[in-house]
Amino acid sequence: GAGVSQSPSNKVTEKGKDVELRCDPISGHTALYWYRQSLGQGLEFLIYFQGNSAPDKSGLPSDRFSAERTGGSVSTLTIQRTQQEDSAVYLCASSLGPGDPDTQYFGPGTRLTVL
Amino acid sequence: AQSVTQLGSHVSVSEGALVLLRCNYSSSVPPYLFWYVQYPNQGLQLLLKYTTGATLVKGINGFEAEFKKSETSFHLTKPSAHMSDAAEYFCAVKAGANSKLTFGKGITLSVRP
Repeated sequence: GAGVSQSPSNKVTEKGKDVELRCDPISGHTALYWYRQSLGQGLEFLIYFQGNSAPDKSGLPSDRFSAERTGGSVSTLTIQRTQQEDSAVYLCASSLGPGDPDTQYFGPGTRLTVL
Repeated sequence: AQSVTQLGSHVSVSEGALVLLRCNYSSSVPPYLFWYVQYPNQGLQLLLKYTTGATLVKGINGFEAEFKKSETSFHLTKPSAHMSDAAEYFCAVKAGANSKLTFGKGITLSVRP
């Protein structure tokens, strides 16, 4: 079946611009996670959704970062006023949700470059 | 709080040799443990996981790992390396279901002909 998809695969933007990254989870998966992968910081958790609510936002690095999920499916991660340190690969993962050992399945990522 | 330590950043083995990638974890609750592999310019693929039960877990591509609570370790092994195993490997820990993964820094595995 279809896996987690993310778009765009690559995004180049200028410092100060806003960007939106999209994640389509595996159908039927109620849990959705965003992570960031960068050379200096490795893989970092950003935010977790269960359905449309976000019980854990502890990894969002600043108030320039926000995310939403609608219809219990697609999620959008928005970065406002991008900075060069935001350059990274943004990974989305989904899992079945409550009651499951919660294996997370990852998408291919969006590579963000801030010039 | 959870943390993962993967010592070293690069391991090189000969084709056909044993692969051993080390992972030690810290967790305030019984952990769920995972190994993921990442090939160049691709996302993370699950190799294997430990949640409960048998401490020796087998995964894809001939890999296995053993959960040793007394040593807080979850080392990944494969008896015989193949060229296609060259990739970056990440160990990760979760504090139970429906919680975030905390990753180690990752280890790059190179396989020499």
